[in-house]
Amino acid sequence: AIHLTQSPSSLSASLKDRVTITCRASQDIRSALAWYQQEPGKAPKLLIYDASSLERGVPSRFSGSGSGTEFTLTISSLQPEDFATYYCQQCNGSPTFGQGTRLDI
Amino acid sequence: EVHLVESGGGFVQPGRSLRLSCAASEFTFEDFAMHWVRQIPGQGLEWVASITWNSDATDFADSVKGRFTISRDNAKNSLFLQVSSLRVEDTAFYYCAKESRPWKYDFYMDVWGKGTPVTVSS
Repeated sequence: AIHLTQSPSSLSASLKDRVTITCRASQDIRSALAWYQQEPGKAPKLLIYDASSLERGVPSRFSGSGSGTEFTLTISSLQPEDFATYYCQQCNGSPTFGQGTRLDI
Repeated sequence: EVHLVESGGGFVQPGRSLRLSCAASEFTFEDFAMHWVRQIPGQGLEWVASITWNSDATDFADSVKGRFTISRDNAKNSLFLQVSSLRVEDTAFYYCAKESRPWKYDFYMDVWGKGTPVTVSS
């Protein structure tokens, strides 16, 4: 199975900060990667698919990049509703998720 | 608004079975692959199983292969997960989720239900 490692596992930031979360895959997954946001007590929300495509309705401050084994999710200017846990998911064969990155104020 | 509602979870002893259901509404269910994902409260996400829009293909995580079965009834806009030979480590919240694009089997999940809890304990 393809293993995903996210870094950092947790991150403290302030409103309007620019933050970047990294996801590394244990083998080449081309661009078959998604990013999700999960607020406490809620289901995950799809943000990015195909590594860099913004899901409809997701604010443009979210962006994704990368291919192969290294990927990043960037939030350009943190808003109050962005403080949540973020997961990457690889979709090259049987899907797996990263362990999550908790973003706190 | 697209809506998914899971049901069927509960408290069961190890080795027993449950049938989880997911009722879909406000989209053309028969055009979309569907997925089950589970999460232990406070922990990460684990993909469990998927099925194509026409049931031609199914896939399972190694941890549940041979014990879980996924199926769907397009006439009733419903998705199912038959969970058998349950183990303590199957305890989790089980979410159903919709594939983001029709007639695709990419495992990108754009709509999720609220989940149903399964607790396996003696």
